[in-house]
Amino acid sequence: EAGVVQSPRYKIIEKKQPVAFWCNPISGHNTLYWYLQNLGQGPELLIRYENEEAVDDSQLPKDRFSAERLKGVDSTLKIQPAELGDSAVYLCASSRGGPITDTQYFGPGTRLTVL
Amino acid sequence: GQQLNQSPQSMFIQEGEDVSMNCTSSSIFNTWLWYKQDPGEGPVLLIALYKAGELTSNGRLTAQFGITRKDSFLNISASIPSDVGIYFCAGQLGGANSKLTFGKGITLSVRP
Repeated sequence: EAGVVQSPRYKIIEKKQPVAFWCNPISGHNTLYWYLQNLGQGPELLIRYENEEAVDDSQLPKDRFSAERLKGVDSTLKIQPAELGDSAVYLCASSRGGPITDTQYFGPGTRLTVL
Repeated sequence: GQQLNQSPQSMFIQEGEDVSMNCTSSSIFNTWLWYKQDPGEGPVLLIALYKAGELTSNGRLTAQFGITRKDSFLNISASIPSDVGIYFCAGQLGGANSKLTFGKGITLSVRP
């Protein structure tokens, strides 16, 4: 079974430029998460989707960040415009979802560097 | 945002030694998890604990869910070089709130 796929793996941009990250969850997983991981820190949740609905986006900085999961499968996270402080690893995770809490599987992440 | 407490930031051990890491929180969780992250990769689940007091093993790894539901420990026995990596604890309330709250991680180095 294929794991969570993320692309690109690395991205270098100049500040004020837009950037987008893509995630394809494990097949059949209804719940999708985007996490932000700063250097030397653990991941922190940005947004959680149940199918195509964003059910927890309280930690997403909505002035510059947006996300979508239009058909309830793959998802895109966008930053516009990027700032120096956005340099970090952006992790996507997925789980089966439903009423019982289940295991979250992480992708390899996209490492963003903003110059 | 809230993070769990893990210390020290780094640990250095000799191959073959046992090592123990603990994780504490000011609030309770209903599920405790331990993840390992290798460079350039996402975290991989090692052990999940679902019940206060639960002791669970996975090969050379043993973890316990603290009775107060505010702490957990992970023990690695007979360490080997491939145990090198960053170990994160994570807490989860569960049910409608499946968000994981992570610690800052402990970087483990194993000297051959």
